[in-house]
Amino acid sequence: DTAVSQTPKYLVTQMGNDKSIKCEQNLGHDTMYWYKQDSKKFLKIMFSYNNKELIINETVPNRFSPKSPDKAHLNLHINSLELGDSAVYFCASSQGGTSGLNEQFFGPGTRLTVL
Amino acid sequence: GQQLNQSPQSMFIQEGEDVSMNCTSSSIFNTWLWYKQEPGEGPVLLIALYKAGELTSNGRLTAQFGITRKDSFLNISASIPSDVGIYFCAGPPGGTSYGKLTFGQGTILTVHP
Repeated sequence: DTAVSQTPKYLVTQMGNDKSIKCEQNLGHDTMYWYKQDSKKFLKIMFSYNNKELIINETVPNRFSPKSPDKAHLNLHINSLELGDSAVYFCASSQGGTSGLNEQFFGPGTRLTVL
Repeated sequence: GQQLNQSPQSMFIQEGEDVSMNCTSSSIFNTWLWYKQEPGEGPVLLIALYKAGELTSNGRLTAQFGITRKDSFLNISASIPSDVGIYFCAGPPGGTSYGKLTFGQGTILTVHP
């Protein structure tokens, strides 16, 4: 059984397009996250939602808009894609509480390539 | 922002050797985490440390939370080919929100059979 799943696994698109990545977790966690991993493998947090409420919003262009329809799902919509958006995007989830929030479970990633 | 510095950046070792890597910061961390990422996969949590001086093992892996709270170490004993991957340290810097993890740049481990 997949704990944190993302779709699609690969996404190739043209500059200027709008695209979405979907994430679902079946761990019963209250908190979900989006991370971006660049070509040098550096991981950086983008957003976090706790029970459908945005709690972490890092310095990310407003072309990126997360949406959480319920606490098991967190989607990422990206408008007007740019070449620099090419990266691997990871969804993660965690329980609540001071230790639980830090022990995050990651999905398999979505490799986005913008041409 | 806060930075975590991992060393070495990469390691090439023979199967059976022991491995040591570390992670340092200029600021205090209240939690240290070690993750492993294999090609094409997401990071997987290996060990979580919550107290200064804490030493925790997970099979052949042992990690320590430095006394100064500004560093952590990960050791792998008797390495095997499936240990190959990128090892990341991570944590929420002191004073930041829980869950807002900062990651190191990773240590790439290659194990030759």
